[in-house]
This record gives sequence, C-alpha cells and structure tokens, in this order.
Amino acid sequence: NAGVTQTPKFRVLKTGQSMTLLCAQDMNHEYMYWYRQDPGMGLRLIHYSVGEGTTAKGEVPDGYNVSRLKKQNFLLGLESAAPSQTSVYFCASSYEGGAGGELFFGEGSRLTVL
Amino acid sequence: RKEVEQDPGPFNVPEGATVAFNCTYSNSASQSFFWYRQDCRKEPKLLMSVYSSGNEDGRFTAQLNRASQYISLLIRDSKLSDSATYLCAVNPTPGTYKYIFGTGTRLKVLA
Repeated sequence: NAGVTQTPKFRVLKTGQSMTLLCAQDMNHEYMYWYRQDPGMGLRLIHYSVGEGTTAKGEVPDGYNVSRLKKQNFLLGLESAAPSQTSVYFCASSYEGGAGGELFFGEGSRLTVL
Repeated sequence: RKEVEQDPGPFNVPEGATVAFNCTYSNSASQSFFWYRQDCRKEPKLLMSVYSSGNEDGRFTAQLNRASQYISLLIRDSKLSDSATYLCAVNPTPGTYKYIFGTGTRLKVLA
C-alpha cells in the first residue's frame, strides 16, 4: 500500500535555486497538508488544501507556493531557496479535515540549502 | 504564547515505569485532539485520538481537560519500544481544517 508518497526524498540546493516537492496520495483523501520540521520547533504547517483546486496558508507560508491541480497531488514549490528553508518536509493527507480525521504522513523530504 | 505547547523532555524512565505528558493549547475553542508518535528520522503516526470522555488503548490513556486547556497522555508499564517522540496535535479553529502540532516530548525508556 503506497499511502502518501513524497519525491524527492533528499535534495541539496544552492541559495536562489528553485525546486518543487511532489506529494501523491492514493487514498482519495480530500485534505492535504505540507509541514516542515526543524529541531526544537516541532511540525509547522506551511500550506494546506481542503480539496482539488483549493489552497490555504498555514503558520509559516512565506517563501513557499503550493498547487493542488489534481485531488491526489499536492505540490510545494520554493521559488528562490534560502538557507533558512533547510528542513525536513512532511506531506500529510486526511479523509476528514478539522472534524477529526487522522493525518497520514509521507516519509519526509530532507532539503538542504547551501 | 504558542498555540500548542509541550515540554520537550527528554523524559528518561526505567522499564515498567508509568510516565505522563501534557500538552497545553491556547484557544479555548479548539476541537479535535490527537497524540502522534514519531520515531527517530521517521514520519509521525497516529497513536490515539483524545475524546472528551477520555480514551484508553492498552497501556495508553489520553485525557482532555477543557477547563485547564490541556490534553494528557499516560503510558503505563513502559517498554523499551515506547522510546520515541510524542507529538500532540490540535485543531485550534473549528472549520479551518488545519492541525497545529506541539514541538513534541521525547521519551527514553531505559533497561
């Protein structure tokens, strides 16, 4: 069972480069999320989506853009990477939103910006 | 004040001990509370939901205290395999469909 798949799993960027992280889920979930996790900071919500074609800002949206053109995919883009964006990025999906749905996470994408 | 706060630990306990963690939230309107477990360099996985009436699953008990705005996780008879980071998650604003996580509490169970 694939569940939530993130690509790539590792990436090294130079400051100013751009890249896109892809999240794909095969559970037909409506809700999808992008978090970043840094030491001592826990998981912080970047952006989320409540359905195909929708996106919303989370706690730390600056420097990131997202798109949800297809229900199963949620893309996170960095237009001009900065060292402060070095982090582990987790995508998650949920059948229900705030009503109480369990979040299913991908394995994470480790990004280093030099 | 952060929306969701946890003591980062680490909590070092011997096998067989009982240990409890708390997680406080700032918005009294918060709904939907969860405990997740995260092993080192792995993704978080749901441990249990927290209901108003409390929730018990084997050695694990989760409770909600709305008056004091915190949730708790109690682990009885700790096992070495319980060593992990425990994250609480809260939906602070009903209808927004977003979950905010605490920083996590690290537990080490010692032989």
